[in-house]
Order: sequence, then structure tokens, then C-alpha cells
Amino acid sequence: DTEVTQTPKHLVMGMTNKKSLKCEQHMGHRAMYWYKQKAKKPPELMFVYSYEKLSINESVPSRFSPECPNSSLLNLHLHALQPEDSALYLCASSQDTGPGTDTQYFGPGTRLTVL
Amino acid sequence: AQSVSQHNHHVILSEAASLELGCNYSYGGTVNLFWYVQYPGQHLQLLLKYFSGDPLVKGIKGFEAEFIKSKFSFNLRKPSVQWSDTAEYFCAVNALDSSYKLIFGSGTRLLVRP
Repeated sequence: DTEVTQTPKHLVMGMTNKKSLKCEQHMGHRAMYWYKQKAKKPPELMFVYSYEKLSINESVPSRFSPECPNSSLLNLHLHALQPEDSALYLCASSQDTGPGTDTQYFGPGTRLTVL
Repeated sequence: AQSVSQHNHHVILSEAASLELGCNYSYGGTVNLFWYVQYPGQHLQLLLKYFSGDPLVKGIKGFEAEFIKSKFSFNLRKPSVQWSDTAEYFCAVNALDSSYKLIFGSGTRLLVRP
């Protein structure tokens, strides 16, 4: 089973709202990722967690706050977003980050609209 | 900095035509290579991957790709496309000295006409 689940599928929020995106995998993977994908563009890496610790932050604005409560869950907390943050947010996981174990499996994404 | 180039942004084919999508990367070291597909309204799915060994890699749904190290290329091929292959195809590269980062190409949008 190579399933990564994400909730919600769609989210509409105002610029003053606080919301969270959730991601879950039960493949025993120890690395999890957040990507942002704008329309007709490739995914762009935002954050990487390895063994529940943040290992990469790709200079993402602080209005995006990731959290990894345990090895199966990954959250992305959103606060004071801008309309240009509207995009598809993808979660991915991989067994590990070493050679041969770093194939990333993607979830269906959360389509976020900021009004 | 590493980069991935997909030269064909839009490809239109008729069913049963052969497909080849180009992918080139810029990085001199050891890499892992991937092709992902995104069908309309669906999530990114792994088509195939190359880590080491035989440079000709076979994936799902009849796709294959060939790693040519001297050309820094990893082109995707399928001998006979179907209407259901209509999708966006992304090449991605992972340099082994920066394991976490998967660098995606800009994608190729394939339309297969019935």
C-alpha cells in the first residue's frame, strides 16, 4: 500500500483565518514532505521532516508552520495567508532519505483558496 | 544549482502513436531519477524510477525510460499511447548529496486524441 491521505480536499479561507492541513501515511515511512503546486507548474518543496524533526525549510514564510506530531502524521498550520498562497498543497512521504529509499509517494493534495 | 529541463511543454498525439518525452538534468554527481504522472484531477503517481543498474527502466502502464549518463538524460518512452495516457508528466531528479530534495522539471502536458 503506497497511500498518503490528505484532509481536507478543498479549503477556502480568509486572510485572517487560522486553519490546518493534515497528512497521514501508514507505510512506516520516516520522511515526510510538504510541497506547493501552482496551476500548470511543478511541485515546489516547502518542508522536509526526517524522523519527526524538521530538516529542511525552503525559506517558507512564517505564516506557514509545519508540525510532525508523530511518524505517521504531518500538519501544516496556516495563519494570515495571502491570496497568492492559493495553490494545491501536496504531502509526500518516503521510507527514508538515503539512496534507494527515497522514492516519494504523494497524496492527493489540498486545494487551498485564500480570499 | 541542480535543474531539470523538459523540453516539450505540450505534446499532442493520436492513439497508437509512439511517445518520447525528453528530460535533461544538470548535476555532475550521482542522481536518482524519476518520472511521475498526474492524470486530470488525480494526484502525482510514480511511473518509474532509476537508482542504479540497468539504465533501461520499465515502469507501469507500458512506460519505460532510458538513463544516458553521458547526455544527462532520462527520456520517457511508450511505443503506443492510449487516450487514457492523457496527463501531465513530470521528470524529477534527486542528487544523492542532497537526499531530501526532489527537483522537478516544468512538466509536459500530453493530450492523446482518440
